[in-house]
Amino acid sequence: GAGVSQSPRYKVTKRGQDVALRCDPISGHVSLYWYRQALGQGPEFLTYFNYEAQQDKSGLPNDRFSAERPEGSISTLTIQRTEQRDSAMYRCASSLAAGLVYEQYFGPGTRLTVT
Amino acid sequence: ELKVEQNPLFLSMQEGKNYTIYCNYSTTSDRLYWYRQDPGKSLESLFVLLSNGAVKQEGRLMASLDTKARLSTLHITAAVHDLSATYFCAVDHMNRDDKIIFGKGTRLHILP
Repeated sequence: GAGVSQSPRYKVTKRGQDVALRCDPISGHVSLYWYRQALGQGPEFLTYFNYEAQQDKSGLPNDRFSAERPEGSISTLTIQRTEQRDSAMYRCASSLAAGLVYEQYFGPGTRLTVT
Repeated sequence: ELKVEQNPLFLSMQEGKNYTIYCNYSTTSDRLYWYRQDPGKSLESLFVLLSNGAVKQEGRLMASLDTKARLSTLHITAAVHDLSATYFCAVDHMNRDDKIIFGKGTRLHILP
């Protein structure tokens, strides 16, 4: 079946603009994770959901970042008033459930560039 | 705060050789994951290790977990060029509602 999809794949925006990044998880996957990955680094946890409930948002850098998953499927990561330091690859992953035996399946990522 | 450290961060080796990548973590966890990432690509799950002493093998890769030492290893046997990639370990921060923390990755380059 289809894997995790993300859109857009590339986003260039001007500093100060808001952006919304979308993640469509694998059908039936309960858990959805957002990560940010800088070049040459490992993914940095941002937040995650079980169904529609946001379980942990401790990784969100500041209050300009927010995420939602209103119907327990598609999720949106929103960055308000973007800054150049927000430029990175944003990755989404989903799993059947959190922890235990369930591995995460990663999407292709959205490359965000803030000019 | 959970810290995950991998070493080495860079490794260049000849085909046919064996080598081991190490992943140390700082707090209690018995869930550890290994991922592979090719340049410009997303992450691909390799192994999920769930208990002390767990060992999993797939082809030339073998992963093990020692929860008492807070150490996982990824062993490469008779390396081939196709294994060139960046390998990440990730640990489930069980005290923080399953937040997953990744290491910085080991960039492996296998010379033909």
